[in-house]
Amino acid sequence: DTGVSQDPRHKITKRGQNVTFRCDPISEHNRLYWYRQTLGQGPEFLTYFQNEAQLEKSRLLSDRFSAERPKGSFSTLEIQRTEQGDSAMYLCASSPPTSGRSSYNEQFFGPGTRLTVL
Amino acid sequence: GNSVTQMEGPVTLSEEAFLTINCTYTATGYPSLFWYVQYPGEGLQLLLKATKADDKGSNKGFEATYRKETTSFHLEKGSVQVSDSAVYFCAPAWDYKLSFGAGTTVTVRA
Repeated sequence: DTGVSQDPRHKITKRGQNVTFRCDPISEHNRLYWYRQTLGQGPEFLTYFQNEAQLEKSRLLSDRFSAERPKGSFSTLEIQRTEQGDSAMYLCASSPPTSGRSSYNEQFFGPGTRLTVL
Repeated sequence: GNSVTQMEGPVTLSEEAFLTINCTYTATGYPSLFWYVQYPGEGLQLLLKATKADDKGSNKGFEATYRKETTSFHLEKGSVQVSDSAVYFCAPAWDYKLSFGAGTTVTVRA
């Protein structure tokens, strides 16, 4: 099975530390998305890439957050100077290229990285 | 701006009962509409989708119809099973981004 994978699955860190998460999308999926989900809420969009280009960033993504997708394959999400409010599940999703009349394709989600900031 | 409102839970049902979870959205355009499900201990999975008005999405006995007039996409199942216990998310998509509702926790008792 070559679904979306994320690493690590869990991360515990102290406030002020930097953390980096990795996402490997499904092969040949050109779009990659990052979402954040806090307890009891639905996921919130953070950013997305089409190939290596970062096309949109949410206002939720403060300047402490940075995401990259250098070769249009895997992506990393880095959080600098973590705060307790950053504790959440970080979800990655990917979708294949659109074709024909369809302007939107299903997003396939990874298992997430659960971040706990102490 | 665009937004989605989903029926609050939790919802507790007996096996074979009828389930409906309401979802409405406000939008300037016509989004694609999705229901995602999260089973205990698992990741988000697409349950069903509809991409244009009057389309009906269906999967695993669940159905939802894209109602442009009422900007709604209510999820229904005629006879739930214990294995349907999960969190259900309504998620319109605008400009390639999913906008998730808060989720509805459904528990089905035997």
